[in-house]
Amino acid sequence: SQQGEEDPQALSIQEGENATMNCSYKTSINNLQWYRQNSGRGLVHLILIRSNEREKHSGRLRVTLDTSKKSSSLLITASRAADTASYFCATDAVNRDDKIIFGKGTRLHILP
Amino acid sequence: DTEVTQTPKHLVMGMTNKKSLKCEQHMGHRAMYWYKQKAKKPPELMFVYSYEKLSINESVPSRFSPECPNSSLLNLHLHALQPEDSALYLCASSQTDRGWGQPQHFGDGTRLSIL
Repeated sequence: SQQGEEDPQALSIQEGENATMNCSYKTSINNLQWYRQNSGRGLVHLILIRSNEREKHSGRLRVTLDTSKKSSSLLITASRAADTASYFCATDAVNRDDKIIFGKGTRLHILP
Repeated sequence: DTEVTQTPKHLVMGMTNKKSLKCEQHMGHRAMYWYKQKAKKPPELMFVYSYEKLSINESVPSRFSPECPNSSLLNLHLHALQPEDSALYLCASSQTDRGWGQPQHFGDGTRLSIL
């Protein structure tokens, strides 16, 4: 079964608003990554947070990790039309085969 | 532009054809990956090559045959595919395949349609 589950599955917000996506996972992890995929394109790595970290920032992105709840959130502040994309969390679990497993993704649509 | 280049971008083939997908990276990465992605679904891992050797095969049918001729190139040979194999095939690379914080760099994929 998939390691990560994002919610919501789809999200529409007005340009300028903040967007929050959540990811839950089932087993212990070494680290968690977030990727963005624009329509018809490959995935782009956004940010990586290690299991001993609680929060990380990169530009307008803020990621939190709560290992006790096995969950992570991705916050995009001051959204732009260019942020319209699918967002996936990916985990590599302790004692697995050194591969990452993608969650189902959140489709984000920024309204003008 | 992505640093991982995949060709062709689109491919239409019949179930009896033989074709190959190609992937190239020049970042010095030693791990390369093939993923299959259906519409509105996450990528599913197919194969992992580490230092030009196959390290993971996710029980992929033998009609898909990967090849890694050198550290920069990755091929996926296709033969006798089924309509359900129609999907976006993504190639990715990372510095190594160890999961200790190795971001993967993706190409834009080959969109494959099986008639």
